[in-house]
Amino acid sequence: DAKTTQPTSMDCAEGRAANLPCNHSTISGNEYVYWYRQIHSQGPQYIIHGLKNNETNEMASLIITEDRKSSTLILPHATLRDTAVYYCIVRFPVMDSSYKLIFGSGTRLLVRP
Amino acid sequence: GAVVSQHPSRVICKSGTSVKIECRSLDFQATTMFWYRQFPKQSLMLMATSNEGSKATYEQGVEKDKFLINHASLTLSTLTVTSAHPEDSSFYICSAVQESGLSTDTQYFGPGTRLTVL
Repeated sequence: DAKTTQPTSMDCAEGRAANLPCNHSTISGNEYVYWYRQIHSQGPQYIIHGLKNNETNEMASLIITEDRKSSTLILPHATLRDTAVYYCIVRFPVMDSSYKLIFGSGTRLLVRP
Repeated sequence: GAVVSQHPSRVICKSGTSVKIECRSLDFQATTMFWYRQFPKQSLMLMATSNEGSKATYEQGVEKDKFLINHASLTLSTLTVTSAHPEDSSFYICSAVQESGLSTDTQYFGPGTRLTVL
């Protein structure tokens, strides 16, 4: 299973873009990159996922490098409510269409007023 | 988006008693659910994979006789912590896979249950 490396913590100013990097240099060809975040004392919230193309949804954008060894989650206009721990996870295939996610330490993002 | 609920949100029990936590997928059916545990200032640790109609698959180091998992329907999985001790105090989180038959099925998480064993 591919492991991920993320900075322990980051901060950004409210209204600015937050760019959260993730390294997954041992990712294999059929593994997806998923991003979740966890606000204090809540369950993780799904943000976005991708394989090799850049992805965008109403929450964020995901930029994956061409060699797929790293990715960046972009929150275009960070708000105070985006303060959370952000987890970059590589999908770990188990069987059929089921899978499990192995969480690393994540990045603690602090959005400053 | 898909909604997963947990009940109760908080529970306090005496040492030696058993506690049951429910996890429900509210607007979709889930063949597969997962149970995690999270200690303060730590990341989520996967405990087991719960499959509807079959036995759960436990991660290494997780005692299956202590953490009983039942996935009796496509919308409900339960975790029972048997003979709870203070060291079992933790934040227990479940998740459910909204399966569409594609390889990109997404896992959605419940709000968590905080267990305190006195």
